Amino acid sequence: GEDVEQSLFLSVREGDSSVINCTYTDSSSTYLYWYKQEPGAGLQLLTYIFSNMDMKQDQRLTVLLNKKDKHLSLRIADTQTGDSAIYFCAEMGMDSSYKLIFGSGTRLLVRP
Amino acid sequence: DTEVTQTPKHLVMGMTNKKSLKCEQHMGHRAMYWYKQKAKKPPELMFVYSYEKLSINESVPSRFSPECPNSSLLNLHLHALQPEDSALYLCASSQEGQVTGYGYTFGSGTRLTVV
Repeated sequence: GEDVEQSLFLSVREGDSSVINCTYTDSSSTYLYWYKQEPGAGLQLLTYIFSNMDMKQDQRLTVLLNKKDKHLSLRIADTQTGDSAIYFCAEMGMDSSYKLIFGSGTRLLVRP
Repeated sequence: DTEVTQTPKHLVMGMTNKKSLKCEQHMGHRAMYWYKQKAKKPPELMFVYSYEKLSINESVPSRFSPECPNSSLLNLHLHALQPEDSALYLCASSQEGQVTGYGYTFGSGTRLTVV
């Protein structure tokens, strides 16, 4: 089946930038997404990028897509303590029958 | 209304009980999903309903029984569960037939504990 991988943990100081990385295998991916999950809560869609784009910026969030290497990253500028959460990348494509496939999640800890 | 509402938020049930989880959306989405999420793991797809018909069952045990009474409602009936079924159960919805940047809209989940 399709596979989406992420590093498990990232710790940054408040005010610094955070970069969360993701790799995927589905070459037919059409959209790639970043979801945020706070403790005890559901998943909140943060942003997405269409597969024919290289970069997308949305306020403090910047998504970079390297389709050749199947690598996706999420940069959070000026990280705040409220950004502490688990971040999931997810992809949807033909090879996965257009089901949303999640990565393992990266736990972001923002230190004051 | 841009939300998916799940009830109850928390549920504790015994292994011989029968209970149901409920999910509701009024966004006109025609695809609805059940996901199971264990602690520190990503959500795993269980069922997909498309236009009120079950389209995907990811080999889920029969003690989980989904139902879609209408286009706005999705239920998950639970019977004879095991303690290892304890998890966060997430409902989601999406515009059927379209792969969009909006992805799926998720509810906040039902935290299920089987004792």
